Amino acid sequence: EAQVTQNPRYLITVTGKKLTVTCSQNMNHEYMSWYRQDPGLGLRQIYYSMNVEVTDKGDVPEGYKVSRKEKRNFPLILESPSPNQTSLYFCASSRDRGSYEQYFGPGTRLTVT
Amino acid sequence: DQQVKQNSPSLSVQEGRISILNCDYTNSMFDYFLWYKKYPAEGPTFLISISSIKDKNEDGRFTVFLNKSAKHLSLHIVPSQPGDSAVYFCAASARTGGTSYGKLTFGQGTILTVHP
Repeated sequence: EAQVTQNPRYLITVTGKKLTVTCSQNMNHEYMSWYRQDPGLGLRQIYYSMNVEVTDKGDVPEGYKVSRKEKRNFPLILESPSPNQTSLYFCASSRDRGSYEQYFGPGTRLTVT
Repeated sequence: DQQVKQNSPSLSVQEGRISILNCDYTNSMFDYFLWYKKYPAEGPTFLISISSIKDKNEDGRFTVFLNKSAKHLSLHIVPSQPGDSAVYFCAASARTGGTSYGKLTFGQGTILTVHP
């Protein structure tokens, strides 16, 4: 089954404790992206990757890191989480940058206390 | 700067009636528009899209209308069904290249509730 998976689905952590949210897709997609969803703000792009070893900032990259060492994986790293990073996070992928239909993972609910 | 806006946070309709969800945008470079549907505890799923060279695109019960002069698009669902109850996001993109190429800008979402 074609899908985007994220882990963990729910995470509660404390300020400053490094964490990684994993994302994996099995569709051989080149383009991957991370979004956060906040009330009243919709989905905002954090980082994106056009292919292996090619990543770039989205609209709200501060406090986040990403890496793309393999085509299927695109982890999101919070080196020192803060309460304002409490949010619902989605990973998405598409065939390539010009394919606008993106496939989304189920989301990760992160709470930073 | 919210370039894509959905000004109605919620919409409630009766089963069988028409649902109309609206979306406005400000960036005149946007030339491709999409609607996504999101159920609780799931990621958004693609619903329907439209290119700026068209003013209407239809897929079954779903029709998207684009008014470029007004920078406005709408999603019509006819007839509405209880299973359509979800959050609907509109998104826009510019195919003109540069750093914006391939990037989707989303609206805030509209919660649609269809009552049996």
